[in-house]
Amino acid sequence: QKEVEQDPGPLSVPEGAIVSLNCTYSNSAFQYFMWYRQYSRKGPELLMYTYSSGNKEDGRFTAQVDKSSKYISLFIRDSQPSDSATYLCAMSVYYKLSFGAGTTVTVRA
Amino acid sequence: EAGVAQSPRYKIIEKRQSVAFWCNPISGHATLYWYQQILGQGPKLLIQFQNNGVVDDSQLPKDRFSAERLKGVDSTLKIQPAKLEDSAVYLCASSFGIREEAGEWETQYFGPGTRLLVL
Repeated sequence: QKEVEQDPGPLSVPEGAIVSLNCTYSNSAFQYFMWYRQYSRKGPELLMYTYSSGNKEDGRFTAQVDKSSKYISLFIRDSQPSDSATYLCAMSVYYKLSFGAGTTVTVRA
Repeated sequence: EAGVAQSPRYKIIEKRQSVAFWCNPISGHATLYWYQQILGQGPKLLIQFQNNGVVDDSQLPKDRFSAERLKGVDSTLKIQPAKLEDSAVYLCASSFGIREEAGEWETQYFGPGTRLLVL
């Protein structure tokens, strides 16, 4: 069993729709939870991070963590074609990151 | 602020050949990471340096992969000899480093990666 499981998709949505992404994990030692966005032929860039259960909002993005269920989510509201990318969840214990496989999202204009 | 620089961007080699990748981290960043990202998978940590010392190389295939970070700045990752399964994107990342006041996590900034194809 992988430490971090993420549905690779792909996911295709119309512009303006809500995008819902999620990951599950097995290692209860993970303390920090992140979402990275990776455009084609680019390196991952950090979108959001959190270390506690609950919701965290940043503009159109909401990250949700449920430590009791070992489940994290990312919601993108009012999605735009520029949001088309691969979204990677990542989790950290003492500076070491473990990534999910990434979900490829396409937002259709 | 300049980002993490990597070169070359692309490399095609035949199996059993050797190859080297170079990384220049963000100025002032003490910690440097090398990741391997196989198509359709998330990045997997190969090695982590703090200044010029190795913090974690538990997932580095040491029979063929080697890495060094001289003077605690630039780093090179070498594969010798390459195998078909080494075809991947090799990502370098850097962060400020392990600091007591930062807790136990630091933002990692990634370079654009080097795409390696082994034929």
